Amino acid sequence: DSGVTQTPKHLITATGQRVTLRCSPRSGDLSVYWYQQSLDQGLQFLIQYYNGEERAKGNILERFSAQQFPDLHSELNLSSLELGDSALYFCASSAQRRTEAFFGQGTRLTVV
Amino acid sequence: QKEVEQDPGPLSVPEGAIVSLNCTYSNSAFQYFMWYRQYSRKGPELLMYTYSSGNKEDGRFTAQVDKSSKYISLFIRDSQPSDSATYLCAMSAPLTGGGNKLTFGTGTQLKVEL
Repeated sequence: DSGVTQTPKHLITATGQRVTLRCSPRSGDLSVYWYQQSLDQGLQFLIQYYNGEERAKGNILERFSAQQFPDLHSELNLSSLELGDSALYFCASSAQRRTEAFFGQGTRLTVV
Repeated sequence: QKEVEQDPGPLSVPEGAIVSLNCTYSNSAFQYFMWYRQYSRKGPELLMYTYSSGNKEDGRFTAQVDKSSKYISLFIRDSQPSDSATYLCAMSAPLTGGGNKLTFGTGTQLKVEL
């Protein structure tokens, strides 16, 4: 168990809908990362937050947004969902001034 | 060209074999190197973390980094069926503003057979 908690584990929703994925980082970790893993793209970096502030951005679609709250948990919001958004979404966290990240078990999103 | 190249396999070896997994990279700014293991549909699990060139050993696992050749390896000794998984290399370079992102290889699928 990495100590990173993601909810829900599975999500099935229709095209055009909006969903929110939630992540609680390891105790004491200030950085939270979101990654998308699809069969044909591998693990793709979406966004990083550090202590509530956005620090790095990857190829995150404009339909996607994230935030990190004062208690350090993070949410990834996906809107106007398309079939191609079906993927595993992972949250990871790392300690201050550390680069190695610890991953949660992911949320499997299926858009139908 | 991808920043990180990794042979997807699959790689099939007999139990007890020494396994060699490799990645090459093109971005000379990468300074931190990691290996993750991912079982099917589960979250990646950190196996090894290295910063400098050279070898780092942890139990049956040895990570090797050659920055001059932009090449990293993971060796697994005495491989076990429980080692069957996808192995992902990951690399990181400092970003402006204190950000950090891991760039992953596509993963090598390993099967250790009895």
